[in-house]
Amino acid sequence: GAGVSQTPSNKVTEKGKYVELRCDPISGHTALYWYRQSLGQGPEFLIYFQGTGAADDSGLPNDRFFAVRPEGSVSTLKIQRTERGDSAVYLCASSLDRDSGANVLTFGAGSRLTVL
Amino acid sequence: AQSVTQPDIHITVSEGASLELRCNYSYGATPYLFWYVQSPGQGLQLLLKYFSGDTLVQGIKGFEAEFKRSQSSFNLRKPSVHWSDAAEYFCAVGNNHNNNDMRFGAGTRLTVKP
Repeated sequence: GAGVSQTPSNKVTEKGKYVELRCDPISGHTALYWYRQSLGQGPEFLIYFQGTGAADDSGLPNDRFFAVRPEGSVSTLKIQRTERGDSAVYLCASSLDRDSGANVLTFGAGSRLTVL
Repeated sequence: AQSVTQPDIHITVSEGASLELRCNYSYGATPYLFWYVQSPGQGLQLLLKYFSGDTLVQGIKGFEAEFKRSQSSFNLRKPSVHWSDAAEYFCAVGNNHNNNDMRFGAGTRLTVKP
């Protein structure tokens, strides 16, 4: 597509529930990133995919968080047993490749998650 | 690991006035530096980037930034602010060792007075 698309734009859930957030990157972009942006903060890195594989998941806060990208395009961020502290905007970004530190990311508008 | 500090949480300027947003970074080698802008409900949009070469870089929407190694800074400037520039601005530093570890500052919120 023309840009990075994220759905849903807003998600309200109850503590303990499971949520999935979807990211559709720019067509042809092999690298995909998930970031989390809490209120008043800059984005924090969660996980990065090169193709289908998670090349770096060091930013995932704990084992309740998981992400997949089975066909190397669309990615889903999955959060189990949600907690109120998970409330944030989850940003997805993609780039042509990341074979270099000179890497320009294109961000989606984000999915705002609220855990009640 | 690299880090970024944006000392100003909130800045207010009058329309037509000049603007400078501060960014200081910490990194042991030559950094890759970025400025992004985020409007409410919008994704982060890249304003400009510095990888190497000329330390004064031009970006979109009339913005520019200057990389000053001696001061570990990459301040964003605009000579005349427009009301549509009101937004949140984020400075970011990338790692040049084939690492995806881009670190963002906490952001500076810009308010433009009429």
